[in-house]
Amino acid sequence: GAVVSQHPSWVICKSGTSVKIECRSLDFQATTMFWYRQFPKQSLMLMATSNEGSKATYEQGVEKDKFLINHASLTLSTLTVTSAHPEDSSFYICSARVAGGSYNEQFFGPGTRLTVL
Amino acid sequence: AQSVAQPEDQVNVAEGNPLTVKCTYSVSGNPYLFWYVQYPNRGLQFLLKYITGDNLVKGSYGFEAEFNKSQTSFHLKKPSALVSDSALYFCAVRDPHSGAGSYQLTFGKGTKLSVIP
Repeated sequence: GAVVSQHPSWVICKSGTSVKIECRSLDFQATTMFWYRQFPKQSLMLMATSNEGSKATYEQGVEKDKFLINHASLTLSTLTVTSAHPEDSSFYICSARVAGGSYNEQFFGPGTRLTVL
Repeated sequence: AQSVAQPEDQVNVAEGNPLTVKCTYSVSGNPYLFWYVQYPNRGLQFLLKYITGDNLVKGSYGFEAEFNKSQTSFHLKKPSALVSDSALYFCAVRDPHSGAGSYQLTFGKGTKLSVIP
């Protein structure tokens, strides 16, 4: 149980285009999902917290208009990188927290590698 | 603010020997502590957590960790290392008193474990 999927697993796009990454909780409902960014050989940096039915909370320094987050249902959150540039190339990882219950851990997706040419 | 330190960028250990990956934390109250493992180009996999109770926590794949409040540490251990344990290990902390609805994790920078055959 508690499986999180991400789609696509990797994407290559041209500079200036927009890319959408999906994060799905497959066998549980997630009121809260998190989006992280990981640079090579570095730790995960929290970008934003996504709550179902409300606006995402962005961390300091993360551009809201560039990284659009939508959490339209209890099993799906999307991250759209708008007008992507080479510096946006990174490994993007989502995680989901089980709605209710006593779980305290987050369940992570397998990640999406974005390469912007 | 909460923080996590993993003082070692890399740990090398011979197969069959015990391994330790160090983690210290800083949080205002009693922490929730986690260990995750990441294989190349993959998301994070949950290993174990400490919420309350016994200071020695047992997790997946034979790993365990000991919570030491006086030393603010949560070192990851395994009695006998396997080559397949080679991966990137992240320690994470959550401050349960960081605000209503806040489930954010703060990650250490990661420690690369190499198990030598």
